[in-house]
Amino acid sequence: EAGVAQSPRYKIIEKRQSVAFWCNPISGHATLYWYQQILGQGPKLLIQFQNNGVVDDSQLPKDRFSAERLKGVDSTLKIQPAKLEDSAVYLCASSSLSLNEQFFGPGTRLTVL
Amino acid sequence: SQELEQSPQSLIVQEGKNLTINCTSSKTLYGLYWYKQKYGEGLIFLMMLQKGGEEKSHEKITAKLDEKKQQSSLHITASQPSHAGIYLCGALTTSGTYKYIFGTGTRLKVLA
Repeated sequence: EAGVAQSPRYKIIEKRQSVAFWCNPISGHATLYWYQQILGQGPKLLIQFQNNGVVDDSQLPKDRFSAERLKGVDSTLKIQPAKLEDSAVYLCASSSLSLNEQFFGPGTRLTVL
Repeated sequence: SQELEQSPQSLIVQEGKNLTINCTSSKTLYGLYWYKQKYGEGLIFLMMLQKGGEEKSHEKITAKLDEKKQQSSLHITASQPSHAGIYLCGALTTSGTYKYIFGTGTRLKVLA
């Protein structure tokens, strides 16, 4: 069974630039999550999708972050414009049901200079 | 404030030694998950505990959830260098809606 795929693996941008991350969850998984993990901290949930609907985006900085999952399968997370404090690993995870264990992708390491 | 407290923050043990990592919450948890993460990589699911008093084992790793479902421990027996990494506890809590939270992690180093 293929795991959660993410791209790119690494990205370096300058502040005020835009960046987008892509995630393809495990086939058949209805629930998709985006997390932000700052160095030395645990992952923080940014947004949770159930199929193509948003379940929880309470911790998503909506002035600069946006995410979509238009067809209920893969998803993109965008930051526009990026700030220095956005430097982190962005993790995508999926689960078959919202209360089941999550399977994580390898993450995208973002460095904002 | 951190809703899930992990201890210790870091641990260095000699190969072959046993160790325990703790995860504590002030709230009742509706699911407790243990993950392992290698630096710069994603999280690998280890175990999920849902019932008070539940205990699960996989190879040399045992996880327990207390009866009140507010504290969990992860115990590694006869540690090996392959156990090195960051161990994270995650949990499902609710304040009206279900929400996933994670601890800050325990960095484990095993000396050969």
